[in-house]
Amino acid sequence: NAGVIQTPRHKVTGKGQEATLWCEPISGHSAVFWYRQTIVQGLEFLTYFRNQAPIDDSGMPKERFSAQMPNQSHSTLKIQSTQPQDSAVYLCASSLGKNSDYTFGSGTRLLVI
Amino acid sequence: GQQVQQSPTSLVLQEGENAELQCNFSTSLNSMQWFYQRPGGSLVSVFYNPSGTKQSGRLTSTTVIKERRSSLHISSSQITDSGTYLCAISLSNTNKVVFGTGTRLQVLP
Repeated sequence: NAGVIQTPRHKVTGKGQEATLWCEPISGHSAVFWYRQTIVQGLEFLTYFRNQAPIDDSGMPKERFSAQMPNQSHSTLKIQSTQPQDSAVYLCASSLGKNSDYTFGSGTRLLVI
Repeated sequence: GQQVQQSPTSLVLQEGENAELQCNFSTSLNSMQWFYQRPGGSLVSVFYNPSGTKQSGRLTSTTVIKERRSSLHISSSQITDSGTYLCAISLSNTNKVVFGTGTRLQVLP
């Protein structure tokens, strides 16, 4: 069990460029979550999939952020026209489902300059 | 208001002292979990403890659902225990996980 795998570990983009972050959940886990962590805001929920279907995206900034889960083995978080305030650690987690514990990946550290 | 509150915000101990970290939540939940994070590190699960008491080595977690609280007790603290401890709850109506702001623990030699 390799755990939740996130790639890349680090990403530097120029302001206005697009960034795509990848997450491979633990095999068999039906729930996938995306979070963003900054020193100022702490851990912020972004979005959540269950059985590949989007369940709750209430934390997603509506205009430039999008997330997809095209198959059970990976999810992507895409940020268009990145801004410096998007700089953060983006964390992905997976879970077997309701009433189960969550396992986090190591995160992708995004820096927008 | 904030659904998950942790106390204290920060804690400094001498090596060998005990620590008691608190997590209070204001909503009904499916589950609760404690995580540990080093600066710049990833979130590592310490306990998945939706109710009752669990122990692992020097760590003990007690969750009392009716009182909407959970605690993490660290006995005989070590320098390597330093880091941030976060509690997280899974909301019963949405299954979304909400985190507290964490307790930053520093253990000094």
